[in-house]
Amino acid sequence: SQQGEEDPQALSIQEGENATMNCSYKTSINNLQWYRQNSGRGLVHLILIRSNEREKHSGRLRVTLDTSKKSSSLLITASRAADTASYFCATATNTGNQFYFGTGTSLTVIP
Amino acid sequence: EAGVTQSPTHLIKTRGQQATLRCSPISGHTSVYWYQQALGLGLQFLLWYDEGEERNRGNFPPRFSGRQFPNYSSELNVNALELEDSALYLCASSWTLGTGSSYGYTFGSGTRLTVV
Repeated sequence: SQQGEEDPQALSIQEGENATMNCSYKTSINNLQWYRQNSGRGLVHLILIRSNEREKHSGRLRVTLDTSKKSSSLLITASRAADTASYFCATATNTGNQFYFGTGTSLTVIP
Repeated sequence: EAGVTQSPTHLIKTRGQQATLRCSPISGHTSVYWYQQALGLGLQFLLWYDEGEERNRGNFPPRFSGRQFPNYSSELNVNALELEDSALYLCASSWTLGTGSSYGYTFGSGTRLTVV
């Protein structure tokens, strides 16, 4: 399977703390993306990092990519209750358009 | 700009029946993707359509099929429904073949299919 796997499966933190979740994948990729899903509804695109990039920032989000280890991490700084959601990584290969999603990390931010 | 729209929001069917789910992509997007998300699980890739043709399909039986219309909207059909087909079906759209993988998908809110 080309799907990635997120770690941990579930994470619970206090508001204001940082949240870190990791993604591992199996094949060579063109880019890796992170998505958020609230309450089992549609996914929202957060950030994309290309295979030749190592780190990317967007607001309170920081994504790193280590292609040698086939892994990525998503850091959410100064978390808020509204960040409570499931977070998925998705990988795009060089041979196709479709993305393969991981199993997700369920993040709970306690007010 | 309207987002990706899916209909219906909820669908309840009896085992053995057929279900039809619909998706309208963002204007300008020619690729449509279908994913299945069973309760508590990740997204499983079902089908990818671009310019009216099926470009790839995931590891699902042939009773999962679909099509893409000239206006780029899409239908997902599930025949001979089984209880384990109960899931959230998500549709996403992107720019055309060759460029889509460089951008994020835009997802619809999904159709929750319940098979009883």
